[in-house]
Amino acid sequence: DTGVSQDPRHKITKRGQNVTFRCDPISEHNRLYWYRQTLGQGPEFLTYFQNEAQLEKSRLLSDRFSAERPKGSFSTLEIQRTEQGDSAMYLCASSPRTSLEQYFGPGTRLTVT
Amino acid sequence: AQSVSQHNHHVILSEAASLELGCNYSYGGTVNLFWYVQYPGQHLQLLLKYFSGDPLVKGIKGFEAEFIKSKFSFNLRKPSVQWSDTAEYFCAVEDYKLSFGAGTTVTVRA
Repeated sequence: DTGVSQDPRHKITKRGQNVTFRCDPISEHNRLYWYRQTLGQGPEFLTYFQNEAQLEKSRLLSDRFSAERPKGSFSTLEIQRTEQGDSAMYLCASSPRTSLEQYFGPGTRLTVT
Repeated sequence: AQSVSQHNHHVILSEAASLELGCNYSYGGTVNLFWYVQYPGQHLQLLLKYFSGDPLVKGIKGFEAEFIKSKFSFNLRKPSVQWSDTAEYFCAVEDYKLSFGAGTTVTVRA
């Protein structure tokens, strides 16, 4: 499968712990996006990379959240000192240079207990 | 900031019925519009898109959508649904990032 992959698919953590998610975009896609989706809502934009440069961060992304894309390939999203309100599905999408279409991964479902 | 509203939260219909899902967006400039679908247990998939040109666009699985600029709308239609169309449908507007509506859950009864 050459689609967007995300790891892990599910994560259960205790409040206050740190978690890190990984996203591998489709090969040669230069743009990578992170979204968050809660029950009954559409995905909400978190942040966006073009190659290795992080070009925008949503106001939803508090100081406890950090994202990287060190070599312009895979990306990581870290949440420090998790809170119950962080429980959500975290989606990654990638987009090629020549198109506006975004291709989504399966998501990482985070549950904070 | 752009916003997208989807008129229906949950639609239930029988096989062979026609489907229309409403979507309105708030943005006065040039827009790129999308409908995504999420089948049970699967990830978001692109159903169709509008960038420019013919305002009636056709997507996969017999879906189509009509862009009406004067109404800021991009409604999704399918003349005859199947049980396999049971899914959640999201309208989105693109401005390098996607802004999604809250989604409409469609349940098709056999």
